[in-house]
Amino acid sequence: RKEVEQDPGPFNVPEGATVAFNCTYSNSASQSFFWYRQDCRKEPKLLMSVYSSGNEDGRFTAQLNRASQYISLLIRDSKLSDSATYLCVVPENTDKLIFGTGTRLQVFP
Amino acid sequence: DAGVIQSPRHEVTEMGQEVTLRCKPISGHNSLFWYRQTMMRGLELLIYFNNNVPIDDSGMPEDRFSAKMPNASFSTLKIQPSEPRDSAVYFCASSLRQDNEKLFFGSGTQLSVL
Repeated sequence: RKEVEQDPGPFNVPEGATVAFNCTYSNSASQSFFWYRQDCRKEPKLLMSVYSSGNEDGRFTAQLNRASQYISLLIRDSKLSDSATYLCVVPENTDKLIFGTGTRLQVFP
Repeated sequence: DAGVIQSPRHEVTEMGQEVTLRCKPISGHNSLFWYRQTMMRGLELLIYFNNNVPIDDSGMPEDRFSAKMPNASFSTLKIQPSEPRDSAVYFCASSLRQDNEKLFFGSGTQLSVL
């Protein structure tokens, strides 16, 4: 099993839709998780952290399911500007982050 | 406030040539990371430094790759000799060690080896 696995997509959704991505991880000892966003031909940027109790930031909600070893990202009321690749990130240790290969989202008018 | 600065933005070279990529981390950050990104393998960590000291270079693919960090404000990644399979985007990122999940990436170097 890969350390971090994501569905590559693309997920094509209309504006206003709700979309969710999942990410599975293999290291059961991981304590913290993150979502990064990467626009086309740009660098990745931290989107949000994923806490045990879940985390909500505006239209974005991140959830953690330790029993099944997956994290999710929910985007409500999708905007055209949400079109990007979303990278799931799991620390291997205190210094080293393992990135998933990303899920591509395309929001259309 | 300047972010992580990488140079060059684009590099096109011929197989067998030496390639040197450069990175200036954010001032005050004490961790620096070199990543490589390809369509097939995504973002792969090549090597990282804490306080200018290489900590883990297990991701460096071969002896052809080497990285240095002579001081807190500069790092290089060198490929010698380069091969077509090295073609990728190389990102440098920096962070505060106590906050390592918050990586700040440079704009990357698009390397093409012909």
